[in-house]
Amino acid sequence: AQSVTQLDSHVSVSEGTPVLLRCNYSSSYSPSLFWYVQHPNKGLQLLLKYTSAATLVKGINGFEAEFKKSETSFHLTKPSAHMSDAAEYFCVVTQNTGGFKTIFGAGTRLFVKA
Amino acid sequence: EAGVTQFPSHSVIEKGQTVTLRCDPISGHDNLYWYRRVMGKEIKFLLHFVKESKQDESGMPNNRFLAERTGGTYSTLKVQPAELEDSGVYFCASSRLTSAYYEQYFGPGTRLTVT
Repeated sequence: AQSVTQLDSHVSVSEGTPVLLRCNYSSSYSPSLFWYVQHPNKGLQLLLKYTSAATLVKGINGFEAEFKKSETSFHLTKPSAHMSDAAEYFCVVTQNTGGFKTIFGAGTRLFVKA
Repeated sequence: EAGVTQFPSHSVIEKGQTVTLRCDPISGHDNLYWYRRVMGKEIKFLLHFVKESKQDESGMPNNRFLAERTGGTYSTLKVQPAELEDSGVYFCASSRLTSAYYEQYFGPGTRLTVT
């Protein structure tokens, strides 16, 4: 069965310091993995996606994530946080096999301190 | 291109009343999805349309929820009668193809409060 675990419900960083948001997944099949961000009163916006090509994926706004099959992880990173990065982030797994399924992580709220 | 839109943005109703939520997907997107986030919980899948057909409605909580997509364009999700536990944010998303490789485009959500 599929599952997605975001290991931190809240992460707080200072502006200019690195960001690490952790995601572990479980899937019986080869999944596609996504990170979405939601700013207040906005829809979820795609940051980046992994679909079995390069394991290091670069996304928008300086974010990137590395797919590590051996660790079943897809952690999201950014070298230097900006105040505008404060939002809620969702790790999402989809798979085609056995029917099209989409599973969300519980979300990680990122706080950025000046 | 215009994004996914949802109406209303907020709705407050009393237990027992009926509410209808609307979603307009991106033009040309055959796939339309409904999700719900109850406070403090994960976003959960409700159902998936391909054009006007229900591809998967395994996430619908019970028969008080009715989703339609007449003509394969916009979709409505009706809750009748509403219960307290129906409160949450209802998201709609659309995508061009049914494939795990293609991202879904999300609307801003409708916040439903049942009192």
